[in-house]
Amino acid sequence: ETGVTQTPRHLVMGMTNKKSLKCEQHLGHNAMYWYKQSAKKPLELMFVYSLEERVENNSVPSRFSPECPNSSHLFLHLHTLQPEDSALYLCASSQAPGVWAFFGQGTRLTVV
Amino acid sequence: SQQGEEDPQALSIQEGENATMNCSYKTSINNLQWYRQNSGRGLVHLILIRSNEREKHSGRLRVTLDTSKKSSSLLITASRAADTASYFCATELVGGAQKLVFGQGTRLTINP
Repeated sequence: ETGVTQTPRHLVMGMTNKKSLKCEQHLGHNAMYWYKQSAKKPLELMFVYSLEERVENNSVPSRFSPECPNSSHLFLHLHTLQPEDSALYLCASSQAPGVWAFFGQGTRLTVV
Repeated sequence: SQQGEEDPQALSIQEGENATMNCSYKTSINNLQWYRQNSGRGLVHLILIRSNEREKHSGRLRVTLDTSKKSSSLLITASRAADTASYFCATELVGGAQKLVFGQGTRLTINP
């Protein structure tokens, strides 16, 4: 248990569905991240929020929409996804630059 | 292209042997971090080494950093079957707004 909780752990959705992934941390961290992990590819940084402001958006398609309502919660809203979006989506948080990140267990997403 | 690249991509050794994994990166960093991931789970941090440090130890783990060569290595001594996992290096870039860039990882298998 790292202190970062992701829900759901598994999600199967159709290409026309809308769903949301949730991440929660009560570690007092000031930065939260979404990463995508596909088979045989490096972890791809999708979004970074620092003090609830989005500071990084790595050319992620608009069908992925992040939301950070407060420093403890991070969402990833999904709509009209493609099968190639099937992957493990990992949330992480950290306190400041120069310290390591704490990861959640991930959400295994399958788009059918 | 990605910032961090691990070498080898896969490593299989006998229990009790030492395992060495290497990581190379391209741009200036604040620190370099090693993480471990069990299959389909979240990442767990192992060691963080700052750019002004050359070596760090934690139990059976030893990490070195050579900023002139932009490379790092992770040594696991006296390996155990439970060390079987994927190992990733991540770099925190200078001026990089708390973002970590990961390599592809090394898949380590320890055979009993």
